[in-house]
Amino acid sequence: DVKVTQSSRYLVKRTGEKVFLECVQDMDHENMFWYRQDPGLGLRLIYFSYDVKMKEKGDIPEGYSVSREKKERFSLILESASTNQTSMYLCASSLSQDYGYTFGSGTRLTVV
Amino acid sequence: AQTVTQSQPEMSVQEAETVTLSCTYDTSESDYYLFWYKQPPSRQMILVIRQEAYKQQNATENRFSVNFQKAAKSFSLKISDSQLGDAAMYFCAYRSPNQGGKLIFGQGTELSVKP
Repeated sequence: DVKVTQSSRYLVKRTGEKVFLECVQDMDHENMFWYRQDPGLGLRLIYFSYDVKMKEKGDIPEGYSVSREKKERFSLILESASTNQTSMYLCASSLSQDYGYTFGSGTRLTVV
Repeated sequence: AQTVTQSQPEMSVQEAETVTLSCTYDTSESDYYLFWYKQPPSRQMILVIRQEAYKQQNATENRFSVNFQKAAKSFSLKISDSQLGDAAMYFCAYRSPNQGGKLIFGQGTELSVKP
């Protein structure tokens, strides 16, 4: 089975901190995605990447950046964490556009 | 831009009964994919079912089936013989073949199953 692993299940950070959320997949998938999930809003796309060193903005990229130096790893960076970035963050990967995603188990981030 | 709407924030079903979750979407594309995902309390998103827009036949996966109405832009999920393990948040999602494969999600429907 394809595995998508997010490094932390729960994370508490202080306002203004630089935060790294790591995601690793083990099946050589081209496409990787970062979403945030908030009640009543569903999942909203922050950034995605379809190749190493390639990145595309999603619907809500403000306050975030990403890094994909290796195919299997896609990192989400909060440059200066703010309380409105408290959320559930989900990473996903996909073999191609014809397929659905495989998701990680999520990181619940709280910014205090 | 495409949008996906789930108008039922919460649904409830009796164990062994059938329930239908609604989803509508808006798009000008003719070729796309539609998905239903399940998110139990463990938070792990699980793919339930997938439909290709060019296929008229409705997808089925065991107790899960869809009613895909392309002209009406409707994609409902039917769960038959509901089980306690079906209790979860369900998300409908749209995928365009032209936008890097990104999924656009609805707001979600929380399904509870009563014993």
